[in-house]
Amino acid sequence: AQSVAQPEDQVNVAEGNPLTVKCTYSVSGNPYLFWYVQYPNRGLQFLLKYITGDNLVKGSYGFEAEFNKSQTSFHLKKPSALVSDSALYFCAVRDLLLSGGYNKLIFGAGTRLAVHP
Amino acid sequence: DGGITQSPKYLFRKEGQNVTLSCEQNLNHDAMYWYRQDPGQGLRLIYYSQIVNDFQKGDIAEGYSVSREKKESFPLTVTSAQKNPTAFYLCASSWLPDNNEQFFGPGTRLTVL
Repeated sequence: AQSVAQPEDQVNVAEGNPLTVKCTYSVSGNPYLFWYVQYPNRGLQFLLKYITGDNLVKGSYGFEAEFNKSQTSFHLKKPSALVSDSALYFCAVRDLLLSGGYNKLIFGAGTRLAVHP
Repeated sequence: DGGITQSPKYLFRKEGQNVTLSCEQNLNHDAMYWYRQDPGQGLRLIYYSQIVNDFQKGDIAEGYSVSREKKESFPLTVTSAQKNPTAFYLCASSWLPDNNEQFFGPGTRLTVL
């Protein structure tokens, strides 16, 4: 079965320092990977996705993610963290084809990022 | 939150009462989804629909029901059979067949009194 894991419940970073939020996956076939961000009491916002092509994917708000097939990882990164980046981050993988041609997304448990001034 | 609206933002339910959560999208998306979010558990799929008048159970459909009478609307009813309904409910939509990105609404927080 497809799955995604976010090994850290929380990541603490000082403002201005680089940040990394980790994600590992397990899929059959080629992975379709996503990162979403959620601010308090809000819906999820799409950050970036990897379908195919370059292993380094650039997304919204200065975030990027590196796809590493050998390590089955898709870590989210940002060179310089902002206090406003503090939020809950979700990694997701597209599941296998289900009945009716539908592919659902499987989400990780989420990682809370706290950026301190 | 794109072109997806959910209402109400907060909802309180008494024991044994059914409640309906609204989800509307103006993105002309084919597919719509309902997720439940609990602390530390990520998002779990309740129901999804690919076309009007058709929907499928997700991973945790028990105690919930949906309808898809219009492309734009996908209301979720939390019935009295749902034993632990207090949660944050998120609606999403996407184009088909790729489903490469889902757009989420702002969510409804349901609390059982």
